[in-house]
Amino acid sequence: EAGVTQFPSHSVIEKGQTVTLRCDPISGHDNLYWYRRVMGKEIKFLLHFVKESKQDESGMPNNRFLAERTGGTYSTLKVQPAELEDSGVYFCASSLDVASEAFFGQGTRLTVV
Amino acid sequence: KQEVTQIPAALSVPEGENLVLNCSFTDSAIYNLQWFRQDPGKGLTSLLLIQSSQREQTSGRLNASLDKSSGRSTLYIAASQPGDSATYLCAVTSSGGSYIPTFGRGTSLIVHP
Repeated sequence: EAGVTQFPSHSVIEKGQTVTLRCDPISGHDNLYWYRRVMGKEIKFLLHFVKESKQDESGMPNNRFLAERTGGTYSTLKVQPAELEDSGVYFCASSLDVASEAFFGQGTRLTVV
Repeated sequence: KQEVTQIPAALSVPEGENLVLNCSFTDSAIYNLQWFRQDPGKGLTSLLLIQSSQREQTSGRLNASLDKSSGRSTLYIAASQPGDSATYLCAVTSSGGSYIPTFGRGTSLIVHP
C-alpha cells in the first residue's frame, strides 16, 4: 500500500510568486494534517481536514495560505504571494481516525529567495 | 494549550549503549502519544504509538512508556547502533477537542561506531 506522498519534494521560488504543494494521503484516511518546520524550530501544526471539511485551521499563519481538499482525497496548500519567512519544510500526514497512528509524507522543502 | 518538551536536545554515544530519550507534556488529557524518527532530509517515520490507556509499547529494540499522570513518556533504545542516528520526535494528541498531534523539538541522536 502506498504511503503519504507529497509533491514536489523541493521548490525554489522568488518572493511574490505563488506555489502549490500537493499531498496524497493513504487511501481511506479521513484525517489529513498539514505541518511546517522552519529551520531550528519545532514542527508546527497548520491545518486539519476531516474528509473535505476543515476541522481546525488555527495554525495557518495568515491569509496568504490556502488549503483545499476537494472530494476528501488529495489536498493542496497554496502560498500566494510567497514571502521569505515561508521557507521551510511542509509535511502532510494522514490517519484513519484521530486516535490512530499518523503517517507522514516525505515533506516538501520550500525555499523562497 | 498542550506543550511538549524533549530532553536532551542532542545526544552522542558510542555504539552498544542503552539510551533513554525523554518527552514531557503539560496537559495530561491525551488521546495518544506517538514517537517518530526523522533522518536528515527525509520525512517522519512512525516508531511507536501508545494509546492513553496503555503504559508501554515495544518494537524490536525500542520500548516506549507512558505515564499520563506525570505527563511523561520515555523512549528506550537498547544496544544502540550507528543506524539509529537520527532525530527522534515525540507527538502528543490531546483529547480536549482539537485532536491535533503536537510535537516537541526532538532529540538529535548520533551513535558512533
